[in-house]
Order: sequence, then C-alpha cells, then structure tokens
Amino acid sequence: DAKTTQPPSMDCAEGRAANLPCNHSTISGNEYVYWYRQIHSQGPQYIIHGLKNNETNEMASLIITEDRKSSTLILPHATLRDTAVYYCIVAGSSNTGKLIFGQGTTLQVKP
Amino acid sequence: DAGVIQSPRHEVTEMGQEVTLRCKPISGHDYLFWYRQTMMRGLELLIYFNNNVPIDDSGMPEDRFSAKMPNASFSTLKIQPSEPRDSAVYFCASSMGPERDTQYFGPGTRLTVL
Repeated sequence: DAKTTQPPSMDCAEGRAANLPCNHSTISGNEYVYWYRQIHSQGPQYIIHGLKNNETNEMASLIITEDRKSSTLILPHATLRDTAVYYCIVAGSSNTGKLIFGQGTTLQVKP
Repeated sequence: DAGVIQSPRHEVTEMGQEVTLRCKPISGHDYLFWYRQTMMRGLELLIYFNNNVPIDDSGMPEDRFSAKMPNASFSTLKIQPSEPRDSAVYFCASSMGPERDTQYFGPGTRLTVL
C-alpha cells in the first residue's frame, strides 16, 4: 500500500475553513484516498474517501489533484469539536482490507 | 443502530492474568477488525475477520494473543498471560464489503496491566 505524508500539526480559527494536506506520491491506479479522524479518547471516525474525483459529504470535502499524488481535506466551517487527529490513508489496492494509520495531523481549532 | 459495542470499557489487571476483550459489530457487517493503540506505536491492526473467518493475523504480537469470532455478532480478543507492555487501548471496528475500508470503530477498551 502507498504511504502518506502529513504535517504533524495545524491550527485553525473557529468558523474558518480547515485545509488539511496529504501527499501520496506512490499511490497506484486502483487505490483510494481515505480520511479518518480521532477525537481525544474516542475511536477513529470515518470522514470521506475518493478515487480521483472530488467528493463532498455532510462532514467535509475531499480534493484530489489530477495526478492523484496529493489531496486536501476541507472542513468548511471548523468548530471546536473538530479538534482531533486527522489521518490520511491510501487503501484498496490488494484487497486486504487493511488500513495503515500513520501519525496523522493534529488539528487544533481555536476560538 | 447502536454502532460497534465493546466491553469492558476499562480493564485493570495484574501481570499474568488472563484478559478477554469483547466486541459486537454492527449488524450486517461482514468484516471485523481488532486494533491496538499505544503512544509509541500508534494505531496498528492486529487481526481481521471476514464472515467469521480470520483472514490476516500477521499483526498479532505473539502467541499470548488470540482472537475468535464464533458468530457474526460477537468476537473476543484474549491475552493470556498478560504483561505490562500489553497496556494499550484496544479498538474493534466493523465494515461491510465491498466498502470494507469504510470502517466503523467502537469506543475502545483501555487495558492497564500492572
């Protein structure tokens, strides 16, 4: 499975958009980009995933570059409850069902 | 749906004791995953099942760890004998193929081995 690179931490003002980047330069053609987050003391929570088209759901938007080597998770109006560790994961190539969680990005939303 | 249910939520035991963690996946999900999370190693997959059959147990640290899934609605992770280095938060997750990578996690069991 392809590896991902994320900044270790980011800050965002409450009410503003949070843009979390992820590099996955070795992604293969049939691998998806997944985003999960983990709020302190809770289990990870699925956010969104995509293959090559941009995706949007009630939680976030996912922008994938045309060459698929990087992506950005966008939380349009961050709230204090969005403070969490955000994981970008590439998965789906070998039918293994495995998710490899890296260190993620700790997003701190500030009032 | 109640989501993935794990019990107990907290477990404190002494070294050498047997520990059993329990998980009830979301009804209808055919994949079940056990993860362990520590500060040092982060979140790591231990084992996963598909249709109650273990598919990949390569993440199980050693023979002291075992996992079973006797039916579609129940799974256990057992540690015997437990050691202080097993202290961690253990998460269970479930998913439904073909969306198996969209996993739903339980609240976790925080295990402390003294």
